[in-house]
Amino acid sequence: EAEVAQSPRYKITEKSQAVAFWCDPISGHATLYWYRQILGQGPELLVQFQDESVVDDSQLPKDRFSAERLKGVDSTLKIQPAELGDSAMYLCASSLTTGELFFGEGSRLTVL
Amino acid sequence: DAKTTQPPSMDCAEGRAANLPCNHSTISGNEYVYWYRQIHSQGPQYIIHGLKNNETNEMASLIITEDRKSSTLILPHATLRDTAVYYCIVSRLSNSGNEKLTFGTGTRLTIIP
Repeated sequence: EAEVAQSPRYKITEKSQAVAFWCDPISGHATLYWYRQILGQGPELLVQFQDESVVDDSQLPKDRFSAERLKGVDSTLKIQPAELGDSAMYLCASSLTTGELFFGEGSRLTVL
Repeated sequence: DAKTTQPPSMDCAEGRAANLPCNHSTISGNEYVYWYRQIHSQGPQYIIHGLKNNETNEMASLIITEDRKSSTLILPHATLRDTAVYYCIVSRLSNSGNEKLTFGTGTRLTIIP
């Protein structure tokens, strides 16, 4: 069964450093999402792509976060500089049918 | 967004039906009800969704009240592997016209052996 691939699975970094996460969606899925999940809370949408275009980044802290999806396939989420409050699980999801999202296993970030 | 209200936690005996309630009293006519679950340390998993009619698939059943202000997710024969956080989500259209799913804090369901 096709899956959403994410890497790295775990990342430990010091504050003020740069960090990047990569996501490869299920083949053919035009919509890609990045969510952030703080421990004990539900996932929060950071950015949504339709093909290579951003359709919603209203919750993305644009002073330090950036996301791109070149060629409309895989995607990268970057944080620079990382802050202590960025410690969280970063989840990528893709969808073909609206509302039915397929999530990857996530990238757990710890900022020291 | 229409907001949802779920109990923070529930227990259910293994083999019994698990009934998870969700209130969404401000839901709009064109908004769907979605259910996802998240097993510890994994990404959320889609379960089922519906608009007005009751829905059933291989995982669960979704019962939506006639006024659409509440719904119940039913796991007919709960197993230990069903222990997870269950999220009830009401969809809305984003500015681009694509649906945006906003997760709350969900219900932590524990299946008791």
